Amino acid sequence: QKEVEQNSGPLSVPEGAIASLNCTYSDRGSQSFFWYRQYSGKSPELIMSIYSNGDKEDGRFTAQLNKASQYVSLLIRDSQPSDSATYLCAVQGQAGTALIFGKGTTLSVSS
Amino acid sequence: DAGVIQSPRHEVTEMGQEVTLRCKPISGHNSLFWYRQTMMRGLELLIYFNNNVPIDDSGMPEDRFSAKMPNASFSTLKIQPSEPRDSAVYFCASSLAEKYGYTFGSGTRLTVV
Repeated sequence: QKEVEQNSGPLSVPEGAIASLNCTYSDRGSQSFFWYRQYSGKSPELIMSIYSNGDKEDGRFTAQLNKASQYVSLLIRDSQPSDSATYLCAVQGQAGTALIFGKGTTLSVSS
Repeated sequence: DAGVIQSPRHEVTEMGQEVTLRCKPISGHNSLFWYRQTMMRGLELLIYFNNNVPIDDSGMPEDRFSAKMPNASFSTLKIQPSEPRDSAVYFCASSLAEKYGYTFGSGTRLTVV
């Protein structure tokens, strides 16, 4: 059973701080990795994708991938109250297979 | 683009009744996915289609669930008969290519009483 694990949280950070969200996956052959944000009562929306080891930055977001450790993370700099949501890690195994999602980490940013 | 369109947004039905959920993917997207989300189990893949052909239906819980994609612009997920444990939010998503990730619809909140 291929699994994607996330700490459910809640992760609470003050406004302006860095939020660090983590994810591990079981399938060593996984190729593509995504972070989705889901506001309460809404659908998941894609915020970052990463495919190779290292860091990928997009605005206040940085995704980090370490395939040897089977670990993906998302850093949110200068956290804002509007970042308060559940963040879902999604992993694609072999090409042509569907994404497997973690259960998500709930982030709360206090002003 | 209108995005992925799902209907209905909410459905309340009695145990034993048939339920049909509908999805219109984004035009040009060749992959369509049905997921179910609950607090306990998170987002679970039910089935996915590529070019209208079912590729992986291993997540379909049992014979009560069936899905079709008769053409590139329409898919249905049917539950017959429905049971209270089917209560969840059902999401449809579509994708142009794997590297672009998925775009999700607004979901259908199903309550079976």
